[in-house]
Amino acid sequence: EVQLVESGGDFIQAGRSLRLSCTTFGFTFGDFALSWFRQAPGKGLEWVGLIRNKPYGGTPEYAASVKGRFSISRDDSESVAYLVMDSLKSDDTGVYYCARNRVLMVRGVDYYYMDAWGKGTTVTVSS
Amino acid sequence: SYELTQPPSVSVSPGQTARITCSGDALPKKYIHWYQQKSGQAPVLVIYEDNKRPSGIPERFTGSNSGTMATLTISGAQVEDEGDYYCYSTVNETTQGVFGGGTKLTVL
Repeated sequence: EVQLVESGGDFIQAGRSLRLSCTTFGFTFGDFALSWFRQAPGKGLEWVGLIRNKPYGGTPEYAASVKGRFSISRDDSESVAYLVMDSLKSDDTGVYYCARNRVLMVRGVDYYYMDAWGKGTTVTVSS
Repeated sequence: SYELTQPPSVSVSPGQTARITCSGDALPKKYIHWYQQKSGQAPVLVIYEDNKRPSGIPERFTGSNSGTMATLTISGAQVEDEGDYYCYSTVNETTQGVFGGGTKLTVL
């Protein structure tokens, strides 16, 4: 059974850093890209970023709202992905989800969509 | 910035057909995927690549992309289909993802 389990959410002061983990089970981690998403209280889903798997370069991509503050990495030997969040703001408060991605190659560009999600971990940033 | 637009809410009676739309520029060049999120739960993929249904998703869920608008159709909606539905695609010809604002489906 495919499982993704987020951890590391916390109540934290603005300006500080936090690392979230996404531990996975039930599939070959190295065969998939992983994405991070968030959902502010009472709001919709927001794409945070993703990290490609090695055949597609293993590189990350970020939403404009977090670029320069957040970084995504992966450890294929442990089947874990990480989201490091620096300089946290109150706007970063929400539930953070990780998700497994399927890839579509269209005209030389890799597009991704998510086919399995974790249950999320809560980050609360106090100002 | 690229945006996908959904109606905030759709309401139907049990057994009726619910249609949730998603509009945005350049839809003919994009794949649209649909997610269902029930209260307090993680999202679930219900339609991918415009019109494909993952295993385990009931046949009453179908999708289409006419080029100007993508539509999620739930034929014979059930009470258990209530929740928020989000369309998802990418920003222009990049890998960056974008969600629609979400549509709250009420079946009562």
